[in-house]
Amino acid sequence: DQQVKQNSPSLSVQEGRISILNCDYTNSMFDYFLWYKKYPAEGPTFLISISSIKDKNEDGRFTVFLNKSAKHLSLHIVPSQPGDSAVYFCAASAVYQAGGTSYGKLTFGQGTILTVHP
Amino acid sequence: NAGVTQTPKFQVLKTGQSMTLQCAQDMNHEYMSWYRQDPGMGLRLIHYSVGAGITDQGEVPNGYNVSRSTTEDFPLRLLSAAPSQTSVYFCASSRNNEQFFGPGTRLTVL
Repeated sequence: DQQVKQNSPSLSVQEGRISILNCDYTNSMFDYFLWYKKYPAEGPTFLISISSIKDKNEDGRFTVFLNKSAKHLSLHIVPSQPGDSAVYFCAASAVYQAGGTSYGKLTFGQGTILTVHP
Repeated sequence: NAGVTQTPKFQVLKTGQSMTLQCAQDMNHEYMSWYRQDPGMGLRLIHYSVGAGITDQGEVPNGYNVSRSTTEDFPLRLLSAAPSQTSVYFCASSRNNEQFFGPGTRLTVL
């Protein structure tokens, strides 16, 4: 049972336009959401995150929107650049406590391949 | 500060062979984890550890063993490799929600 789903395997956009990547989740216990970016032959790198107490978080060209009632989040990239071409993973976390420290065990979506054409 | 390092980068095994994938981090993170990445499946959690001496199973633990004797190291052992374990393996560490990933090990089991 896939608790985090990215239903679009790929997305192609023109340089300068907006890229919108979508992610849906089913587990109501998830309270923290992250987007990771992955280039070929490299490990994923953290891009942006959002807590469940917010509905929007912005960092430069990247904005993440969270709709808790719909269990849906999206990543907007404006304007898109060719260097943004990569695989984008959505991840969700339910923070839990162990030994007095909080941890987030991540559940990932399948990934979306973004291609930005010059 | 090297972050998270993984060795080897590439490995080819025959069915039934055993091997250990190495992972080390120099950020003094308590939480470490192993994922495998397969086409169309995203990253799936194999095992994780919340500190030295403490490990637990993730989503797909069968066929893999882990131990955590130090904060820095978190090796992943394949006891008897199977073709279904052909994948790219990523190790990660974190102190809170944000996880830092290593560059990955591409494993092929023939």
